[in-house]
Amino acid sequence: GQNIDQPTEMTATEGAIVQINCTYQTSGFNGLFWYQQHAGEAPTFLSYNVLDGLEEKGRFSSFLSRSNGYRYLLLKELQMKDSASYLCAVSTDSWGKFQFGAGTQVVVTP
Amino acid sequence: DVKVTQSSRYLVKRTGEKVFLECVQDMDHENMFWYRQDPGLGLRLIYFSYDVKMKEKGDIPEGYSVSREKKERFSLILESASTNQTSMYLCASSLRTSANNEQFFGPGTRLTVL
Repeated sequence: GQNIDQPTEMTATEGAIVQINCTYQTSGFNGLFWYQQHAGEAPTFLSYNVLDGLEEKGRFSSFLSRSNGYRYLLLKELQMKDSASYLCAVSTDSWGKFQFGAGTQVVVTP
Repeated sequence: DVKVTQSSRYLVKRTGEKVFLECVQDMDHENMFWYRQDPGLGLRLIYFSYDVKMKEKGDIPEGYSVSREKKERFSLILESASTNQTSMYLCASSLRTSANNEQFFGPGTRLTVL
């Protein structure tokens, strides 16, 4: 079957750095996506990796290395508004079907 | 600006009722998806559609059906609602492309079945 694993919860203080790892076993791979979801709201797109390497978008960056299994989302200079669930998703075919992880709840404390 | 809308934010229905959830996107996307989201389980795919009148079962299609008569609209139907279908339902759409096929989500419908 298809499986995507990520930690359930992570807690960090304002200004700190958090790394959310994602491991997956899927029938196909057409890209790794990260979404942010605040409580009661829809997921919003953060980042996309299909080739190995680092994608940086301001305080957020995502890394993919398919050969050694490193896949993560890095949140830098944490702010209180970053408290949310972060979803890892794998696009499993060229038609656009995704498999989602259960999400990592990030709690930012003062 | 990209937009996916859903017909209701909150819905309360009784067991056995037929329930319609509507989703509309204005981005001319080929793909549309229906997910349900439950605590600890993440987003699970119910049905998806690659084009008008086309539909494919996702991971948990039992108890649901869908309709896509127009490109912009994708409907989820609960033929006879049950309490275990109480959940958050999210609709999404995307381009059918081999490159970045980011999915855009609607605001969600929180359905409670009593």
